[in-house]
Amino acid sequence: DIQMTQSPSSLSASVGDRVTMSCRASQSIDIHLNWYQQKPGKVPKLLIHGASTLQSGVPSRFSGSRSGTDFTLTISGLQPEDFATYFCQQGYSSPQTFGPGTKVEVK
Amino acid sequence: QVQLVQSGAELKRPGSSVRVSCRVSGGSFTTSSFSWVRQAPGQGLEWMGRIIPILNVANYTEKFQARIKISGDRSTNTAYMELRSLRFDDTAVYYCARDWGISWAFDNWGQGTPVTVSS
Repeated sequence: DIQMTQSPSSLSASVGDRVTMSCRASQSIDIHLNWYQQKPGKVPKLLIHGASTLQSGVPSRFSGSRSGTDFTLTISGLQPEDFATYFCQQGYSSPQTFGPGTKVEVK
Repeated sequence: QVQLVQSGAELKRPGSSVRVSCRVSGGSFTTSSFSWVRQAPGQGLEWMGRIIPILNVANYTEKFQARIKISGDRSTNTAYMELRSLRFDDTAVYYCARDWGISWAFDNWGQGTPVTVSS
């Protein structure tokens, strides 16, 4: 199975900050990396698919990029509603696997 | 707009089975595949398997292979996940989600079904 790691496990930020978080795959997954946002007690929400394509309806302050097996999610101008946990997920091969998440907390 | 509506919370004894349903409305049941993902309390997300309704084919992650069955009913646009021989560590919220795109993302999710395994 492909292992997904995320860093940091948590970060503290303020409204308006530029926030970046990372996800690394244990082997090549091409562009097949997806990002989700989950708030406590809520259903995960798809933000980005294919490493960098914004899902319909997702604000443009979210962006994704790839460098080899390393992927980055950036939030440009953190908003109050963005405090949440973010998960990456590889869709390159079965079983699809998720990273352990990065929690964005209020500084 | 696709909607996935799951069955309600379950309380089960160790060793028993649970069956969770996921009714799909708004089209796409036979043109999509549907996965089951679970999340233990305070933990991350874990993919369990999927059903391709038009083919009536399911595949599972090895971890659950021996005790899971995922099925679909095209007459009611409903997917089912049955997990047998429940253990305490099966306590989790179980989600159905629609598979989407070439990167196998999950673009629509059910509301989640809490399953508690307790003696």
